[in-house]
Amino acid sequence: GAVVSQHPSRVICKSGTSVKIECRSLDFQATTMFWYRQFPKKSLMLMATSNEGSKATYEQGVEKDKFLINHASLTLSTLTVTSAHPEDSSFYICSARDMGTASDEQFFGPGTRLTVL
Amino acid sequence: GENVEQHPSTLSVQEGDSAVIKCTYSDSASNYFPWYKQELGKGPQLIIDIRSNVGEKKDQRIAVTLNKTAKHFSLHITETQPEDSAVYFCAATPAAQKLVFGQGTRLTINP
Repeated sequence: GAVVSQHPSRVICKSGTSVKIECRSLDFQATTMFWYRQFPKKSLMLMATSNEGSKATYEQGVEKDKFLINHASLTLSTLTVTSAHPEDSSFYICSARDMGTASDEQFFGPGTRLTVL
Repeated sequence: GENVEQHPSTLSVQEGDSAVIKCTYSDSASNYFPWYKQELGKGPQLIIDIRSNVGEKKDQRIAVTLNKTAKHFSLHITETQPEDSAVYFCAATPAAQKLVFGQGTRLTINP
C-alpha cells in the first residue's frame, strides 16, 4: 500500500530556533499534501494544503510566516516552524493523496512530535 | 464551513460485543466520509470509507452507514477484540479534498 514517511519522528528544540519537518510519499506521487496539527487528546486540525510547484494554502488562523511550507517535488513537502516557542509544541502529521488514482483516500504519515523548551 | 460532530467521546465495551460510533456533518456538499483509527503516538490509519452515493459499506467486522438526508454516518465494529482499542476519528470532505475531522472517540475493549 501507499506509504508516507515523516522525518524526524521526534524533535526537541530551544525557544527561538527553527525546525524543519519532512513529509515524503515513498511509493507514489502527490501533487497535494496536507499538514495537520494535533494537541494531546484532541482531534486533527488542518493547517495548510501544500501544492507542488506553487504556494501553500493556509487555513484561517494559521500564520503563514510562522509555518513555512515548501512542496518542491511530487514526493516531498516540508514544514518549517520558524522561531519556535513552547506553544508550538504539538504533534504534526502530514498526509498525501496518490495523484495516480481517482481515490479520495489520504495516506497519513506517522507524525512528528515537536517539543519546544 | 463544514462542522463534524462525533459521539461518544469515550466508549467501553466487553470483548466480543459490538461498538457503534456516530458522526453528523453540516455541509450537504460533503461527499466522502472516511473513518480512521489512531494508536498512541502514531498517525491515523484508514479503516473504512464511504462515498455519498452509497448507503452502507462493510469490510469483515467493520461497517459504515450513511444517511445523506439526515447528514449522519456511523461506524459499526462487531465481535470486538482487545486490539480494536484505540482512538477513532470520523471525517468529512466538504471541498478541495480537505478533511474535517470529528472530535474522536476513545474506544476501550475490556477482556
